[in-house]
Amino acid sequence: EPEVTQTPSHQVTQMGQEVILRCVPISNHLYFYWYRQILGQKVEFLVSFYNNEISEKSEIFDDQFSVERPDGSNFTLKIRSTKLEDSAMYFCASSDGSSGANVLTFGAGSRLTVL
Amino acid sequence: AQSVAQPEDQVNVAEGNPLTVKCTYSVSGNPYLFWYVQYPNRGLQFLLKYITGDNLVKGSYGFEAEFNKSQTSFHLKKPSALVSDSALYFCAVQEEDTGRRALTFGSGTRLQVQP
Repeated sequence: EPEVTQTPSHQVTQMGQEVILRCVPISNHLYFYWYRQILGQKVEFLVSFYNNEISEKSEIFDDQFSVERPDGSNFTLKIRSTKLEDSAMYFCASSDGSSGANVLTFGAGSRLTVL
Repeated sequence: AQSVAQPEDQVNVAEGNPLTVKCTYSVSGNPYLFWYVQYPNRGLQFLLKYITGDNLVKGSYGFEAEFNKSQTSFHLKKPSALVSDSALYFCAVQEEDTGRRALTFGSGTRLQVQP
């Protein structure tokens, strides 16, 4: 069964450092998403990406965040200058957009720890 | 704005007994509703969705959910729980006809099935 893959599975970084989280969505999917889950809290929407541009973003997705699809297969989330509160599990998801009801397929997540 | 509430942080049930995990939602228009399950160290996996029509929808692993428009609820149910059903369950909503594709998730309910 096709799956969304994410790397790294766990990254530890110092506050103020830049981090790039990588995702390979399902190959025929058109919509890509990043969500995050702070430990013990809800899964929060960050951003969606379609046709090589951001289609939606939440209030969380401020100027320190950016997304990119650099090569037609990878989908990346960059955090420019990490803060302690960025520590969370980051999930990438994709969907094919074939119906209005949007079934997302999620990756296993990348755990980011900011020290 | 759309939102989802899962009023129980944890549900405990004995193996073989029926289980219910509660979810209520809030949207301006008509909802698409989803249930996802998360096993330890894994991403969210799609269980089932409600789009329109029959209020009782069936999904993976014997789960079903009942849509109740008057109570704005979408409770997850299973007639006979298994120990392997123990996991974190998330309800999510997407509002129909807005063009928004991002799902809004609840805070999750941990289901513990005791042998």
